[in-house]
Amino acid sequence: QKEVEQNSGPLSVPEGAIASLNCTYSDRVSQSFFWYRQYSGKSPELIMSIYSNGDKEDGRFTAQLNKASQYVSLLIRDSQPSDSATYLCAVNIPGSGGGADGLTFGKGTHLIIQP
Amino acid sequence: DTAVSQTPKYLVTQMGNDKSIKCEQNLGHDTMYWYKQDSKKFLKIMFSYNNKELIINETVPNRFSPKSPDKAHLNLHINSLELGDSAVYFCASSQQGLVHNEQFFGPGTRLTVL
Repeated sequence: QKEVEQNSGPLSVPEGAIASLNCTYSDRVSQSFFWYRQYSGKSPELIMSIYSNGDKEDGRFTAQLNKASQYVSLLIRDSQPSDSATYLCAVNIPGSGGGADGLTFGKGTHLIIQP
Repeated sequence: DTAVSQTPKYLVTQMGNDKSIKCEQNLGHDTMYWYKQDSKKFLKIMFSYNNKELIINETVPNRFSPKSPDKAHLNLHINSLELGDSAVYFCASSQQGLVHNEQFFGPGTRLTVL
């Protein structure tokens, strides 16, 4: 069974602090990993993707991947109230789609940045 | 300038009706998807289409039928709607073989079955 697990939260972080979001996945053949941000009533927005072990930084966001531990995380530095949203971890697990596979999503972590 | 668009944004209908949702992307992608997000916000793949060919058909009732007239469009037709079909349906697109299947989502269609 392909599973992506996230703590549903809510995760409350004071403004200006670092928010740390975690995700584990069960399928070792997973190749690509994504973080989507979803505001209430809106669609998922891709904010980070990572494919190799280690860290990947983009502005205030850092994605971390550890394939041996089947763990991917997202750090948000200098958290702002506008970062308050649900963060969805998604994994591309190669299957019969030949590159057109659907993503497997976690249930999301609800992040609240407190002013 | 919307990259992935869907119509309608809201759809309210009675049980037993047949309805369609339309999706269009102007990103030049060759793969499109339909996802369902239920009341608990869990997002799950339903279908994947590549170059007008159905690639993935997850375990969804055969009342749901995707149709792709060309690679920029993927419509979802639902027959004999049931209460449990109430959800938000998202269309997404990606370019196969490029950037590890990064997918971009449309604004969603909130379907309410009464």
